[in-house]
Amino acid sequence: DTAVSQTPKYLVTQMGNDKSIKCEQNLGHDTMYWYKQDSKKFLKIMFSYNNKELIINETVPNRFSPKSPDKAHLNLHINSLELGDSAVYFCASSLEGYTEAFFGQGTRLTVV
Amino acid sequence: DAKTTQPPSMDCAEGRAANLPCNHSTISGNEYVYWYRQIHSQGPQYIIHGLKNNETNEMASLIITEDRKSSTLILPHATLRDTAVYYCIAVYNQGGKLIFGQGTELSVKP
Repeated sequence: DTAVSQTPKYLVTQMGNDKSIKCEQNLGHDTMYWYKQDSKKFLKIMFSYNNKELIINETVPNRFSPKSPDKAHLNLHINSLELGDSAVYFCASSLEGYTEAFFGQGTRLTVV
Repeated sequence: DAKTTQPPSMDCAEGRAANLPCNHSTISGNEYVYWYRQIHSQGPQYIIHGLKNNETNEMASLIITEDRKSSTLILPHATLRDTAVYYCIAVYNQGGKLIFGQGTELSVKP
């Protein structure tokens, strides 16, 4: 019973397309995050949501839009995909006020 | 958040203790030291955290120096499955943002 699950695990798409990555957590957490890990393996936070409210929005292009329909879900929609968007995207969750985060298995996005 | 410095790579023999150092000389009084690891192709995994006292759990021990300028993560009996990148992060505990550095790539060898 996966705690933080992401779909799809792999995503290959062409430049210019719009795609979404879904994330769900069954831990009862109220804070969820998106991280990006590039080809050099650096992990960087992109967004953080607490109780469906955007808390952290790092310097991320407007083409990236997170959406949190409820506390257990945080989806990432990406418009007009570019080659540089190729990376592994990780979703994570934690309790509010705690930095012990649980990460999903990642979505490997390849833009061709 | 305080910057941390870790060696880029380390080797450890299977069954021996792995001692991973971390320098955080600019850490402030209310910043915690967190350790995560990332096994190849998986999401990061929380290991342990501490403020100033030494901590131990089922995965590892964390030793923080008295001046809090450095710490050591100890895996008491390393196994091949402990091969991973280990990240030391200094962060405020109250919903602090995890900022991952380059980490230490630990290779456990038979």
